[in-house]
Amino acid sequence: NAGVTQTPKFQVLKTGQSMTLQCAQDMNHNSMYWYRQDPGMGLRLIYYSASEGTTDKGEVPNGYNVSRLNKREFSLRLESAAPSQTSVYFCASRADRAPYEQYFGPGTRLTVT
Amino acid sequence: QQPVQSPQAVILREGEDAVINCSSSKALYSVHWYRQKHGEAPVFLMILLKGGEQKGHDKISASFNEKKQQSSLYLTASQLSYSGTYFCGTEWSARQLTFGSGTQLTVLP
Repeated sequence: NAGVTQTPKFQVLKTGQSMTLQCAQDMNHNSMYWYRQDPGMGLRLIYYSASEGTTDKGEVPNGYNVSRLNKREFSLRLESAAPSQTSVYFCASRADRAPYEQYFGPGTRLTVT
Repeated sequence: QQPVQSPQAVILREGEDAVINCSSSKALYSVHWYRQKHGEAPVFLMILLKGGEQKGHDKISASFNEKKQQSSLYLTASQLSYSGTYFCGTEWSARQLTFGSGTQLTVLP
């Protein structure tokens, strides 16, 4: 039982390059989330998916797109990376029953130069 | 809207107690508490639902004052392993959490 997995763990991009961050969960959860965490700050929601086939914008969606490929997988795409997108990205899934906790993946540390 | 956490940082000796507060300007459905150690992912501690109940988890407990839209996390007889950054996550819209900026807790021997 791996929980939430993310790839890659680290990535360095040049401004303007694109990339996709992958996330998968094996807990059969309906809800999945993408957050970014900047130094000294909390987690800010980029996009979320309440169920397979649905996605919604969070607090900071600009510059990102997402795909809920199936119930297990939720990917985050940066079409044209900018230095402001340098951050640690966490994927999470949420239990459908009490206590409704969110399980986080190990994170992807992205640097855009 | 981001909840406000206080204090921003606290330093304790082993065995001492601490309280971390989280307040929101919006009517809340629930409050979550997470702990994050340096370089790691946040880990769920507990959830408080509307109703003002108090929950406990070992020597860590929390309360939720629905009228004031405030939650407090209580750490008693702190241990070295309690060190980390504590985040509250408030839920006012279905299935979305908004996190505070965190409280950095350091427990010294």
